[in-house]
Amino acid sequence: DAGVIQSPRHEVTEMGQEVTLRCKPISGHDYLFWYRQTMMRGLELLIYFNNNVPIDDSGMPEDRFSAKMPNASFSTLKIQPSEPRDSAVYFCASSLEGSNTEAFFGQGTRLTVV
Amino acid sequence: AQSVTQLGSHVSVSEGALVLLRCNYSSSVPPYLFWYVQYPNQGLQLLLKYTSAATLVKGINGFEAEFKKSETSFHLTKPSAHMSDAAEYFCAVRPYGNNRLAFGKGNQVVVIP
Repeated sequence: DAGVIQSPRHEVTEMGQEVTLRCKPISGHDYLFWYRQTMMRGLELLIYFNNNVPIDDSGMPEDRFSAKMPNASFSTLKIQPSEPRDSAVYFCASSLEGSNTEAFFGQGTRLTVV
Repeated sequence: AQSVTQLGSHVSVSEGALVLLRCNYSSSVPPYLFWYVQYPNQGLQLLLKYTSAATLVKGINGFEAEFKKSETSFHLTKPSAHMSDAAEYFCAVRPYGNNRLAFGKGNQVVVIP
């Protein structure tokens, strides 16, 4: 398996524009996580899915953020409208069922909002 | 919610010296614990994990961690630091029976020649 695949790797957009980040989890994994990493706040869990269903979205900053998982092999994180403070590295991770299993991370998407 | 605490955001260690990174969890029921490493411009990679099978866990690159229930700790060590160990290290917790995976603030390790 190629691992967790995220696209794009880098995104530069203007304030107010819509941004969509994409993730393909490892085949067969039941859980998918979205994280945001910044210098100030570290690695924050935004939302996670189990079998394509959102389980906990308490980390989503505000209504401008939304995440979907239409099928087992694809998820999106959308920001609309984007703001400069959304600039961060966004990671997607996936894991098997079971809280004793580790999550596998993608390479991340570096988002810059100007 | 379950959490982990990592103190000291930046840790400097001399090449060949002991690496010690501290992690404490907040829970009355021991959770599952993980250490990850992140190299510049890359995603996180698993170093090792505690899943209750053994309290001393050995991982990749010569790292190990010991689970101590009495101290609610899971500190990461490596006997002799190498230049290639310069990276950011994260402790993470996944509560028993819950699949939420939360991370500590991380430790940026600098290895001094």
